[in-house]
Amino acid sequence: NAGVTQTPKFRILKIGQSMTLQCAQDMNHNYMYWYRQDPGMGLKLIYYSVGAGITDKGEVPNGYNVSRSTTEDFPLRLELAAPSQTSVYFCASSYEQKNTEAFFGQGTRLTVV
Amino acid sequence: GESVGLHLPTLSVQEGDNSIINCAYSNSASDYFIWYKQESGKGPQFIIDIRSNMDKRQGQRVTVLLNKTVKHLSLQIAATQPGDSAVYYCAEKRGSKLTFGKGITLSVRP
Repeated sequence: NAGVTQTPKFRILKIGQSMTLQCAQDMNHNYMYWYRQDPGMGLKLIYYSVGAGITDKGEVPNGYNVSRSTTEDFPLRLELAAPSQTSVYFCASSYEQKNTEAFFGQGTRLTVV
Repeated sequence: GESVGLHLPTLSVQEGDNSIINCAYSNSASDYFIWYKQESGKGPQFIIDIRSNMDKRQGQRVTVLLNKTVKHLSLQIAATQPGDSAVYYCAEKRGSKLTFGKGITLSVRP
């Protein structure tokens, strides 16, 4: 199993551009999560999903959108990139509600200039 | 690359000593409390969890203590090794929602 795969690893965007951060998992996990990590601020939950077709807002959802059309994929969309969205983004997945072990991808480092 | 631990509180311990990493939480309704470890350039990795109705849980070289009265969670690492150097996060799970605290950097002195 590849686990959780995020692409791209690095990206530089100009203000106002849009992009999609890809996340795929091959562990047949129901739950998937998107976090952003800023220096000194820890991990903040952006959006999460408990299964295909179901998504929920996390702590910092503004400026982002997600979709979950399949169990495997959970893309994160930035429509109008802003400098405040410069961060490292992590995708994670876990099997079910009682399972506390989430598996993380390697992260995507995004810079908005 | 930039350290994910930049500007986080730092705990420095001597190799071989025991480490105690503390965390205060706010949500009394959480079902589980969890500790994750993040090494530089990698995603967080699960260490150990504790259900909210428990006080203590032991793993291999690690122990998690939960004090619900003062909303305090701690991670004890026995015989700290250089490979334990990382950022440690406490996390809470309520239903399907998994949220993280700010993190603490553990630095192990040789």
